[in-house]
Amino acid sequence: EDQVTQSPEALRLQEGESSSLNCSYTVSGLRGLFWYRQDPGKGPEFLFTLYSAGEEKEKERLKATLTKKESFLHITAPKPEDSATYLCAVQSNTNAGKSTFGDGTTLTVKP
Amino acid sequence: DVKVTQSSRYLVKRTGEKVFLECVQDMDHENMFWYRQDPGLGLRLIYFSYDVKMKEKGDIPEGYSVSREKKERFSLILESASTNQTSMYLCASSSPTARDTFGSGTRLTVV
Repeated sequence: EDQVTQSPEALRLQEGESSSLNCSYTVSGLRGLFWYRQDPGKGPEFLFTLYSAGEEKEKERLKATLTKKESFLHITAPKPEDSATYLCAVQSNTNAGKSTFGDGTTLTVKP
Repeated sequence: DVKVTQSSRYLVKRTGEKVFLECVQDMDHENMFWYRQDPGLGLRLIYFSYDVKMKEKGDIPEGYSVSREKKERFSLILESASTNQTSMYLCASSSPTARDTFGSGTRLTVV
């Protein structure tokens, strides 16, 4: 059974204070690992897809990396508008199209 | 701009009522999903569909049914609503080569 564990559950940062969110996963053949951002009362919004170990993707202050066991979402010099819940999900080769989600990390960035 | 549209943002229903949640996507995606999201429990898959008139149970199908008569529309049905079905319901769609795109969610309250 595919499993995704995200840590920490909550993270509070000062504006400009860089940090990383962790997503550990077990999957029977990784088809893809996905990061989403979710604002309160809204649906998750897609950020990145990573397919193989060593791959990296960047978007503004966010950078996602992938190893064979975990993924990191690095946030460089965050701003208050980066405050949200960040979700990680995996799809396996045996369950094409069906995602397993972690519980998310809620990030709060204080000005 | 591609979209997944959920018919209601907020819904209040009485215990025992039959409830329909509608979801429409305009991306010609084969796969459609219904999740519920509760604090501390993350996203849980209720039902999914890989094709028209096809459905498969997710992790928590009890008390729910679905209908997919057309490719673009996936309906979630609560046969007899109960208070423990109060939740945020999220619809998503994807294709074998595309990640999940989520709707904005329906916050259902059963009183």
